[in-house]
Amino acid sequence: KQEVTQIPAALSVPEGENLVLNCSFTDSAIYNLQWFRQDPGKGLTSLLLIQSSQREQTSGRLNASLDKSSGRSTLYIAASQPGDSATYLCAVSFRLTGGGNKLTFGTGTQLKVEL
Amino acid sequence: GAVVSQHPSWVICKSGTSVKIECRSLDFQATTMFWYRQFPKQSLMLMATSNEGSKATYEQGVEKDKFLINHASLTLSTLTVTSAHPEDSSFYICSARLDRANQPQHFGDGTRLSIL
Repeated sequence: KQEVTQIPAALSVPEGENLVLNCSFTDSAIYNLQWFRQDPGKGLTSLLLIQSSQREQTSGRLNASLDKSSGRSTLYIAASQPGDSATYLCAVSFRLTGGGNKLTFGTGTQLKVEL
Repeated sequence: GAVVSQHPSWVICKSGTSVKIECRSLDFQATTMFWYRQFPKQSLMLMATSNEGSKATYEQGVEKDKFLINHASLTLSTLTVTSAHPEDSSFYICSARLDRANQPQHFGDGTRLSIL
């Protein structure tokens, strides 16, 4: 079964700290992996997309890595700010046997950055 | 960048009402659109995948007669929740993708549905 797991479920850090969010997935047959941010009651904001052939992607203070063979991805947030407080979702685009894909989401990590 | 518009953003209605949610790709043609449901403090669960001009493919456990999906054009898909009941209250999010499976999905802002 193609599943995505995120650890930890919740995280609270002081402002300025660097932090790492973890995502693991059960099947290495993937097209890509995306990290999203979701604020309470809102939709998804795409942060980073890593294609299966890539190892990492960077955008500003965010860096995402992908190790397809071990089924792991990390999202690194540098110098965290209170505005980074949100739920972070990892989503994996799994290849389907008959063709096509299915985007499967993890349960998310709820991040709180405190002043 | 690719923009997906979802409307309405919030609906409150009485039990037994049917509710239609629209999902539009504004600046690209979406061969495939997806509908997700999210319960409070849970992640997104795929309900169905729709391809333009053909019937939607529903995930296991999702009632196709309850959740009617129409993808009549390359820029519009609709989800109709028929005879909605309080247990259908949830956050519904659509996404759209270009024609290849390795392309990213672009998400709408979601619709919060509350059935009284």
